[in-house]
Amino acid sequence: GAGVSQSPRYKVAKRGQDVALRCDPISGHVSLFWYQQALGQGPEFLTYFQNEAQLDKSGLPSDRFFAERPEGSVSTLKIQRTQQEDSAVYLCASSLFAGPGTGELFFGEGSRLTVL
Amino acid sequence: QKEVEQDPGPLSVPEGAIVSLNCTYSNSAFQYFMWYRQYSRKGPELLMYTYSSGNKEDGRFTAQVDKSSKYISLFIRDSQPSDSATYLCAMSPQGAQKLVFGQGTRLTINP
Repeated sequence: GAGVSQSPRYKVAKRGQDVALRCDPISGHVSLFWYQQALGQGPEFLTYFQNEAQLDKSGLPSDRFFAERPEGSVSTLKIQRTQQEDSAVYLCASSLFAGPGTGELFFGEGSRLTVL
Repeated sequence: QKEVEQDPGPLSVPEGAIVSLNCTYSNSAFQYFMWYRQYSRKGPELLMYTYSSGNKEDGRFTAQVDKSSKYISLFIRDSQPSDSATYLCAMSPQGAQKLVFGQGTRLTINP
């Protein structure tokens, strides 16, 4: 596809369930980011991949959050034992090059997670 | 206190007005400054990108960075109803990968 594709667009989970959110970046993009955007707030960094290597996971809020990009393209963000405070839009972004100083970030439309 | 502060608004102006949006920040290491536009239920899209201090103009949009005051601005001239969106400032230090975003300002342009 032409842009960053995320699925599912909407997910409702019961508290305690595990969820998996998928990101399909623009083909050939080296960098991939996950951000969390709470209602009425700006996106907050979760984690960063350069190809298949996870170079920064400092923004992951707890060990319930896990992300992978095993072949350097598609990425999955997994949240275990979901809590109500996990309710947010999860945005994936990709960039052709490494680092914000060298290229534009292209965002997907996000996966909106609601935990009941 | 957040690293990047942005007035969430909402801001409502008539069509054709000049709009001024601003952010302040506390981290003097920030070198890259960006403005993103986000329509409802969509992902952010890059509007303007500036490295270090100075001005940058692109059509109806002008971005200004004043590093001495730790203050950045986005001006929109001849505003249009299609400019109605949330505007997010974002910034990053040299060599860092991640962006730090402001809260976003919700803007409405009234026809």
